[in-house]
Amino acid sequence: GQQVMQIPQYQHVQEGEDFTTYCNSSTTLSNIQWYKQRPGGHPVFLIQLVKSGEVKKQKRLTFQFGEAKKNSSLHITATQTTDVGTYFCAALLGAGNNRKLIWGLGTSLAVNP
Amino acid sequence: EAGVAQSPRYKIIEKRQSVAFWCNPISGHATLYWYQQILGQGPKLLIQFQNNGVVDDSQLPKDRFSAERLKGVDSTLKIQPAKLEDSAVYLCASSPLTVGNTIYFGEGSWLTVV
Repeated sequence: GQQVMQIPQYQHVQEGEDFTTYCNSSTTLSNIQWYKQRPGGHPVFLIQLVKSGEVKKQKRLTFQFGEAKKNSSLHITATQTTDVGTYFCAALLGAGNNRKLIWGLGTSLAVNP
Repeated sequence: EAGVAQSPRYKIIEKRQSVAFWCNPISGHATLYWYQQILGQGPKLLIQFQNNGVVDDSQLPKDRFSAERLKGVDSTLKIQPAKLEDSAVYLCASSPLTVGNTIYFGEGSWLTVV
């Protein structure tokens, strides 16, 4: 079936280091959403990307949507312990009544203080 | 604005027993989702409602799981009989209109089957 691959599965960084997670699909995506889930919490919406090549920033977080709309990335500059959690991408594939939101498996980020 | 409400927050049952979860979405949100999230994994869509109609239930184990959304507002998800592998967090979520809009999740209902 349709899949969205998210890598890496786990990332352990020292506080202050940068972090990047990638989301890839073999098919063109209509849009892509990013969510953050803190340990023991529920996914919380971060951002949605729609346009080819789109780049959006939220403080230390930078989100990119590939030119071909088949991949996306989330980059965190100078990680802090508050960034700990699992980051999920969720991609909208298909058209019309066949549209589906497909979730990546997530990247779990651990930050050493 | 009130968020997505779910109950109960925690439930422990024995295998072969039944359990029901309730969800009240954000007011005005037409789309309601039930997701199953097993520890360490991403959310898996069980069923999606648009108002009170089912849009996608392709991953719902229909021999034991059922869900309804009467009057297009509240929803219940039932498991009967429960199996050990049903231990997970059941997340209800809602979004305005249709697929592609931001999804707002509830706190989740944590189920342990022993």
